Amino acid sequence: AQTVTQSQPEMSVQEAETVTLSCTYDTSESNYYLFWYKQPPSRQMILVIRQEAYKQQNATENRFSVNFQKAAKSFSLKISDSQLGDTAMYFCAFMKHWGAGNMLTFGGGTRLMVKP
Amino acid sequence: ETGVTQSPTHLIKTRGQQVTLRCSSQSGHNTVSWYQQALGQGPQFIFQYYREEENGRGNFPPRFSGLQFPNYSSELNVNALELDDSALYLCASSLEMAPRENTEAFFGQGTRLTVV
Repeated sequence: AQTVTQSQPEMSVQEAETVTLSCTYDTSESNYYLFWYKQPPSRQMILVIRQEAYKQQNATENRFSVNFQKAAKSFSLKISDSQLGDTAMYFCAFMKHWGAGNMLTFGGGTRLMVKP
Repeated sequence: ETGVTQSPTHLIKTRGQQVTLRCSSQSGHNTVSWYQQALGQGPQFIFQYYREEENGRGNFPPRFSGLQFPNYSSELNVNALELDDSALYLCASSLEMAPRENTEAFFGQGTRLTVV
């Protein structure tokens, strides 16, 4: 079974500054995907960034980037130039595949507050 | 918007009753998953359907059941509701055998179920 741990229940950052959210996971799988999802008060899970485990290069998506350390099973999210709209719950998630199926295992989330 | 729609958005039921939640998958997606998100926690995998068959199940009792229809829409049924079933129920659709770089689950906005 997979486990995902987010050790920071809450974080805050000043607008325009940089913040890093931590995530560690445990698995015996060799092929998997890692995701960061954002969940604003509207409740919809929005994909922020995706990392394939077979890729060594860290994924980037505009202001969002990850630091993927496969051996350490660590997958942190860096948000640069934070904006008020980044205020939300952030979930780290591990995706396992089997045949035609897939399953996400989520961490407990980090509540991020961006302050003006 | 992800193209995944869920209904209803909110629902209040009495303990012991039965409830049906509905999900319309993103166009072309043949795999649908259901997740339960208790307040202040990350989502937990309930089960997944692929081509109208259950294709994986999390640690949920049999009173949680589902259906997937030929048009890939889906239902989550919960019998004998308990107070602890109060949660946000999220539906996610994905494409089986998607290319690695397109692996992703698209979420609906969820149904907030309150059991009293």
